[in-house]
Amino acid sequence: SQKIEQNSEALNIQEGKTATLTCNYTNYSPAYLQWYRQDPGRGPVFLLLIRENEKEKRKERLKVTFDTTLKQSLFHITASQPADSATYLCALPTWWGSYIPTFGRGTSLIVHP
Amino acid sequence: DTGVSQDPRHKITKRGQNVTFRCDPISEHNRLYWYRQTLGQGPEFLTYFQNEAQLEKSRLLSDRFSAERPKGSFSTLEIQRTEQGDSAMYLCASSYTGTGGKSDNQPQHFGDGTRLSIL
Repeated sequence: SQKIEQNSEALNIQEGKTATLTCNYTNYSPAYLQWYRQDPGRGPVFLLLIRENEKEKRKERLKVTFDTTLKQSLFHITASQPADSATYLCALPTWWGSYIPTFGRGTSLIVHP
Repeated sequence: DTGVSQDPRHKITKRGQNVTFRCDPISEHNRLYWYRQTLGQGPEFLTYFQNEAQLEKSRLLSDRFSAERPKGSFSTLEIQRTEQGDSAMYLCASSYTGTGGKSDNQPQHFGDGTRLSIL
């Protein structure tokens, strides 16, 4: 069965460091992958989409990589700030008559001042 | 762009009661999705609409769950005879997939959910 794995343990880092979050998947051949941010009590907010033919994508302090051979995406936040503290979700398209995102459980990032 | 709004934000009810949640999507969005999220998990897809047509409902958790989008604008999700296991956050999202509905990779815009607590 299809599976999306994100580290369930929170990632604690110091302000200014680079945070790296991992999304591994099995039994998918996705044409793209999405990353979302979710704050407590709020809905997810879309951050980035990376396509299968893109190795890397950047947006401001965010960088996403996508390795279809390893079946893995890495999400990096450089120069992290306490305001980056949130849960980060990866999502892969699943066919339900159209492609609908299936979300991983997310990884909590805590940036300490 | 006023965003996706959901009402109510919180609902507390006794087991066995029926509840209905409303979602108002971004006005130009033709797709509307419902998800359920429990603590420590990602959103779990339940159902979706393209305009007023419900295109997938096999993922609804039981026959106690139903959703409508009568005029292709707002949507409601109803849970009948609620059970304690229904306690969760119910999220609505919308997206625009173009006139042919082909652009599945458009990002979803989420509301802030309705938190349901069953006593």
